[in-house]
Amino acid sequence: AQKITQTQPGMFVQEKEAVTLDCTYDTSDPSYGLFWYKQPSSGEMIFLIYQGSYDQQNATEGRYSLNFQKARKSANLVISASQLGDSAMYFCAMRGRNTGGFKTIFGAGTRLFVKA
Amino acid sequence: EPEVTQTPSHQVTQMGQEVILRCVPISNHLYFYWYRQILGQKVEFLVSFYNNEISEKSEIFDDQFSVERPDGSNFTLKIRSTKLEDSAMYFCASSDTRGSLDEQFFGPGTRLTVL
Repeated sequence: AQKITQTQPGMFVQEKEAVTLDCTYDTSDPSYGLFWYKQPSSGEMIFLIYQGSYDQQNATEGRYSLNFQKARKSANLVISASQLGDSAMYFCAMRGRNTGGFKTIFGAGTRLFVKA
Repeated sequence: EPEVTQTPSHQVTQMGQEVILRCVPISNHLYFYWYRQILGQKVEFLVSFYNNEISEKSEIFDDQFSVERPDGSNFTLKIRSTKLEDSAMYFCASSDTRGSLDEQFFGPGTRLTVL
């Protein structure tokens, strides 16, 4: 069975500093994708970044980077130069090819608070 | 940029009533999904839909739920007799392939409140 674990229910970071949000996963699929979504207070799900299990390099998208350590089954999100607008809920998610790729499994989320 | 749209943004209903949540997926996408997020909890998969039939469903998706693609653009989720515990944010998503390497594009959600 697939599982996503986010152990930090809440995180604080000072504006302009970097922050790492932890995510570990468990799957028997040899091929899978890992995703991070941002959910602001308005409720919508905003796609941030994607990492494929066979990608050799860690994914980066602007201020977001994914620290992918396959052997440790971790896919931490790093946000550099935090901004006040980064305050939101962040979800790590996964989809595996052998499960048909139909459903995305989400973690419980980490609420990030950016302090001025 | 194409996007998934959902209507209404907020639906309030009485327990036992039927509700239909509507979604317009991205036009060239073939795979459609519904997810649910109870307030303060994680997002949960409900159902996926392809080629006019359900591809996969979770244990949450019981006989009270149904999905339909009534025309070429809309994708609906029906809850036949709502319960208090159906109160949640419902997200529609779509993708052009089913692969694990592809993004599922989420709509803005419909907040359902059952009184």
